[in-house]
Amino acid sequence: LAKTTQPISMDSYEGQEVNITCSHNNIATNDYITWYQQFPSQGPRFIIQGYKTKVTNEVASLFIPADRKSSTLSLPRVSLSDTAVYYCLVGDFDTGFQKLVFGTGTRLLVSP
Amino acid sequence: EAGVAQSPRYKIIEKRQSVAFWCNPISGHATLYWYQQILGQGPKLLIQFQNNGVVDDSQLPKDRFSAERLKGVDSTLKIQPAKLEDSAVYLCASSPRAGTYGYTFGSGTRLTVV
Repeated sequence: LAKTTQPISMDSYEGQEVNITCSHNNIATNDYITWYQQFPSQGPRFIIQGYKTKVTNEVASLFIPADRKSSTLSLPRVSLSDTAVYYCLVGDFDTGFQKLVFGTGTRLLVSP
Repeated sequence: EAGVAQSPRYKIIEKRQSVAFWCNPISGHATLYWYQQILGQGPKLLIQFQNNGVVDDSQLPKDRFSAERLKGVDSTLKIQPAKLEDSAVYLCASSPRAGTYGYTFGSGTRLTVV
């Protein structure tokens, strides 16, 4: 599975847009990019998944350039409740029996 | 739909004691995972089941950890004997099948070994 690199931490203020970039230089052709969010004392929660270009859902957007060697999770107008750890994962999820390999994630702190 | 249930929520034991954790996945989910999350780190996969068969246990310390999933539903993870470094949150996750969107995690069991 491709290794990912993310910033250890980020700070933001309420109402701002937050962009968290993940580097995955060794991503394979069949790999998808998935982001999870984890609050204290809870298990990780799926946010968004994509393969290329842009994916948007009600929570976030995921931007993936043509070379797919990086991806950016965009959180619009963050609130205090978005304070969490965000994990970027890369793997061939569609062929079955693929384990999720988590890195250390990015700790996002949103302040008033 | 009901989420992944785990119990107990917290456990404190002395080193060299044994402990067991229980997980009830989402109904119908064939794949079940146990992860270990040490404070400040991302979750690390311990074992993956597909129905009641083990798919991957390469990172399970088999000299002290064991897991089973009887009848392809509930699962238990056991540590015997526990070491101080086993202090962590043990997370259970399930999915309809491995991969794609379907991973759902429980809230975990926080184990403290003193």
